[in-house]
Amino acid sequence: KAGVTQTPRYLIKTRGQQVTLSCSPISGHRSVSWYQQTPGQGLQFLFEYFSETQRNKGNFPGRFSGRQFSNSRSEMNVSTLELGDSALYLCASSFSGTSGRYPDTQYFGPGTRLTVL
Amino acid sequence: SQKIEQNSEALNIQEGKTATLTCNYTNYSPAYLQWYRQDPGRGPVFLLLIRENEKEKRKERLKVTFDTTLKQSLFHITASQPADSATYLCALRNTGNQFYFGTGTSLTVIP
Repeated sequence: KAGVTQTPRYLIKTRGQQVTLSCSPISGHRSVSWYQQTPGQGLQFLFEYFSETQRNKGNFPGRFSGRQFSNSRSEMNVSTLELGDSALYLCASSFSGTSGRYPDTQYFGPGTRLTVL
Repeated sequence: SQKIEQNSEALNIQEGKTATLTCNYTNYSPAYLQWYRQDPGRGPVFLLLIRENEKEKRKERLKVTFDTTLKQSLFHITASQPADSATYLCALRNTGNQFYFGTGTSLTVIP
C-alpha cells in the first residue's frame, strides 16, 4: 500500500497570506489527524477528522481550519499567516474501521515544511 | 499544567550498549503510551504501544515499560547500532482521545 502523501513538501509564504496543505491517507484509512511540529514546542495536535467530520480539536486559534472529503483526503488551511506559523505540518492517517473507533496506530506522512517570511 | 518531558534532548552512546530513554508526564490520564522514531526530514514512525494496565512490552531489540504510579515510561534499545540514531518521541493518548507528544530525545549511537 502507498503511504500517506502530503503536498506540497515545501512552501514559502509571507505574513498575512493564507495557505492550504493537502494530505492523502493510506487507502482504507478514514481517520486523518494534523499536527504542527516546531523545535521549541515539538509535535502539537491540531485536529482530527473521521468521515468528513471533525471529532477532535487541539488548542489552536481559529485561523487554523481543516476539512475532509468523501474520499478521506484532507486539507488544512491557515489564514492570515504569522511568522510563528513556520513549522513542519504533519498529517497522520489511521484505520478506524466502520465503527469509527479511535485508532491505536497513526501513520505519518513526510510533512509540509512551511516557512513564513 | 499538562506536561510530557523526555529526559534529555540528546543522548550519545557507544555501539553495542543499551540506550535508555525516559518519558515523564504530569496531569494526564493516559489510555496508553506510544513510542515513535523520527529521522530528519521525515514523519514519525510508530514503534511500540503500551497500555495503562501493562507493565512491559517487547519487540525485537526494543523494550518499553510503563509505570502509571511514577507517571513514567522507559524505552530501551539493546545492542544499539549506528542505524538506531534518530529522534525518539513518546506520545500518549488521553481519555479524551487526543494525542500529546514529548519534544523528543535525539539518540546518536557511536561506532
